[in-house]
Amino acid sequence: KQEVTQIPAALSVPEGENLVLNCSFTDSAIYNLQWFRQDPGKGLTSLLLIQSSQREQTSGRLNASLDKSSGRSTLYIAASQPGDSATYLCAVIAPGGGNKLTFGTGTQLKVEL
Amino acid sequence: EAGVVQSPRYKIIEKKQPVAFWCNPISGHNTLYWYRQNLGQGPELLIRYENEEAVDDSQLPKDRFSAERLKGVDSTLKIQPAELGDSAVYLCASSSLTSPGDGYTFGSGTRLTVV
Repeated sequence: KQEVTQIPAALSVPEGENLVLNCSFTDSAIYNLQWFRQDPGKGLTSLLLIQSSQREQTSGRLNASLDKSSGRSTLYIAASQPGDSATYLCAVIAPGGGNKLTFGTGTQLKVEL
Repeated sequence: EAGVVQSPRYKIIEKKQPVAFWCNPISGHNTLYWYRQNLGQGPELLIRYENEEAVDDSQLPKDRFSAERLKGVDSTLKIQPAELGDSAVYLCASSSLTSPGDGYTFGSGTRLTVV
């Protein structure tokens, strides 16, 4: 059974700081890994999608890496802003699971002025 | 493109009352999912449809939950009767079965509060 873990569970940083969020998964046989952002009381917004054959994806100040062999992914946020405050969730899709997305419990980020 | 559309956004009901949620997936996405997210947790799959067929409903509490996807497009999720523990955010998502690597698109969710 695929299990996804995110560390840390919560993070508070001053504005402008670069930060790294971690995601680990137990079964390395995945189709892809997807990072989402969730604002309080809202749905999920897709940030980055990394295919199993890729090692990283970039969008603006966000960079996500994938190391399938070690079962790890990191989300790097450069020059953090208060508007980045949200919960960040990683999720994986594995073959044989019918495209089922398995989520971690998320990292709650607060960027302070 | 409108994305995945869910309604209502919020619902407050008394326990033992029925409630229904609606989802319209992205056009052309043949796979539709209902997830439930409890406070402080990641979403958990309730049911997955491929076109109009429910292919994975193993996590759906069938004594009180039901779902349907008419004509393989829109879907409704129903709870009858609701219990206090059903308070959560119910998320709908869709993806393309032929392109699983394209990932999921989620709706804004319905926040259910049972009092």
